[in-house]
Amino acid sequence: EAEVAQSPRYKITEKSQAVAFWCDPISGHATLYWYRQILGQGPELLVQFQDESVVDDSQLPKDRFSAERLKGVDSTLKIQPAELGDSAMYLCASSLRLGGEKLFFGSGTQLSVL
Amino acid sequence: SQQGEEDPQALSIQEGENATMNCSYKTSINNLQWYRQNSGRGLVHLILIRSNEREKHSGRLRVTLDTSKKSSSLLITASRAADTASYFCATGAGGYQKVTFGIGTKLQVIP
Repeated sequence: EAEVAQSPRYKITEKSQAVAFWCDPISGHATLYWYRQILGQGPELLVQFQDESVVDDSQLPKDRFSAERLKGVDSTLKIQPAELGDSAMYLCASSLRLGGEKLFFGSGTQLSVL
Repeated sequence: SQQGEEDPQALSIQEGENATMNCSYKTSINNLQWYRQNSGRGLVHLILIRSNEREKHSGRLRVTLDTSKKSSSLLITASRAADTASYFCATGAGGYQKVTFGIGTKLQVIP
């Protein structure tokens, strides 16, 4: 069964360093989501892409976070500089098309900022 | 920001019993979905109910939706130890179908 691939699985970094996460959605899935999940809470949407375009980044801290999906396939989420409060699970999800369809999640990247 | 709020936040039951989780949300929606998450892993989609539907079944799962009360419930019948996980409701809303998750219910099924 096709899966959403994410890497790395774990990332440990020091405060003020730059980090990047990669996501490869299921082939043919037009919509891609990045979520952040703090331990004990639900996932919070950071950014949503439709093909290569951002359709929602209202919760993305744009002073330090950036996201791109240049060819409308895989995507990169970057944090620069990382802060202690960024420690969380970063989840990528994709869906076949915009609207009304279930999300397929990757296993996530667990970020620890020291 | 969280759209939904699950109740209870934690639930512990014996194997074979039924588990009921509730979700309330704040704004108009197009659909509501339930997901399961095992510790430290990604989320797995369980079931989707559209705003014009009132009840849906899938195997041991039963979901209801009351749009007038802005609430939904998930019933898991004949629970198994393998059902131990966190369960999240998620609402799809707006033209771009923004999917917003609640805070989750942590279910423990005791063998």
